[in-house]
Amino acid sequence: DIQLTQSPSFLSASIGDRVTITCRASQGISSFLAWYQQTPGKAPKVLIYAASTLQSGVPSRFSGSGSGTEFTLTISSLQPEDFATYYCQQLESYPYTFGQGTKLEIK
Amino acid sequence: QITLKESGPTLVKPTQTLTLTCTVSGLSLSTSGVGVGWIRQPPGKALEWLALIYWNDDKRYSPSLKSRLTITKDTSKNQVVLTMTNMDPVDTATYYCAHRQAIQIWPFDYWGQGTLVTVSS
Repeated sequence: DIQLTQSPSFLSASIGDRVTITCRASQGISSFLAWYQQTPGKAPKVLIYAASTLQSGVPSRFSGSGSGTEFTLTISSLQPEDFATYYCQQLESYPYTFGQGTKLEIK
Repeated sequence: QITLKESGPTLVKPTQTLTLTCTVSGLSLSTSGVGVGWIRQPPGKALEWLALIYWNDDKRYSPSLKSRLTITKDTSKNQVVLTMTNMDPVDTATYYCAHRQAIQIWPFDYWGQGTLVTVSS
């Protein structure tokens, strides 16, 4: 199985901050990576797929980059609704593993 | 508009078999490229991918759970069913079904609301 390691696991930031979350894969996965946002009690919502493609309807302050084994999700200017938990998922090979999550909290 | 909705028991006893149903609206499970998967999330923990079935009946399972899982579809009802045998308290989780297309870059783009299953005697 391909392991995904996210860092940090917890992140405290303020409204308007720029934040970056990293996802590292245990082996190369080309660009077959998606990012999801999950708020408490809700299903995950896809933000980014193919490492850097913004899902329709997702604000442009979200962006993704990377390929191979290292990927980043950046939020350019945090808004109140962005405080949530973020997960990466690889779609290079089965099983389609997820990272352990990054919880973004208000400072 | 594509929607998915999970249904099944909220409480099962240890050693019992869990059967969950995902009812899909807005697309046909027999349409080329359509896939529906199951993902679970124990309380306060991360997401775990379980299984996936495609329009052509191609099935994929998590290796760590493969011996306990069966995924099937009923195209006449537009439903996907997941069974998990020999349930244990560690299987307590919210179980989600989600749609993806059979294109490698495609994420899980539509999700059900999830259903919480508690395993307890």
